[in-house]
Amino acid sequence: DQQVKQNSPSLSVQEGRISILNCDYTNSMFDYFLWYKKYPAEGPTFLISISSIKDKNEDGRFTVFLNKSAKHLSLHIVPSQPGDSAVYFCAAMGGGSNYKLTFGKGTLLTVNP
Amino acid sequence: SAVISQKPSRDICQRGTSLTIQCQVDSQVTMMFWYRQQPGQSLTLIATANQGSEATYESGFVIDKFPISRPNLTFSTLTVSNMSPEDSSIYLCSGWTAVDGYTFGSGTRLTVV
Repeated sequence: DQQVKQNSPSLSVQEGRISILNCDYTNSMFDYFLWYKKYPAEGPTFLISISSIKDKNEDGRFTVFLNKSAKHLSLHIVPSQPGDSAVYFCAAMGGGSNYKLTFGKGTLLTVNP
Repeated sequence: SAVISQKPSRDICQRGTSLTIQCQVDSQVTMMFWYRQQPGQSLTLIATANQGSEATYESGFVIDKFPISRPNLTFSTLTVSNMSPEDSSIYLCSGWTAVDGYTFGSGTRLTVV
């Protein structure tokens, strides 16, 4: 049972435009959400996170939105740059498993020059 | 943040053999974890590596198949035992601290033939 779902395996965007990556979750006990970025042959690196007490968190070009009622979060990248091309993983934690991360399958973002 | 060196980066192994993956962290981390990413799937937690004691395994993973050691706060190994082609995956170690959150190694791409 996939508790964290990223339904778009891939996304292609033009440089300068907005990239929107989506993530849905089923476990209402999750209370902290993270986005990781992964380049080929490298481990995931932390990008941005959001606590369930917030509905938005912003860091430079990256903004994460959380809709708790819909159990949905999204990562916005604006403006998108070719260097943003990578696999983006959504992850969630909480519900008693304090340090356990549950990941989605990832979305491959390609930003075209 | 902590830097994790993981080796080997990749290997091709014969079925029935075992492979030990090593992770070295450049600073002490509170917790260490081992993940598996099967082709087209999300990162799945195998176990939490506990210093000086037996690892804590997630459902579906057992010590006989994935023995783990963590002799100190900066080093851990994962052995994939009696390998079959179904074990072909990327294996990742991760460290966690309250200050830096999660840091991941670069992964080991294992192919079993």
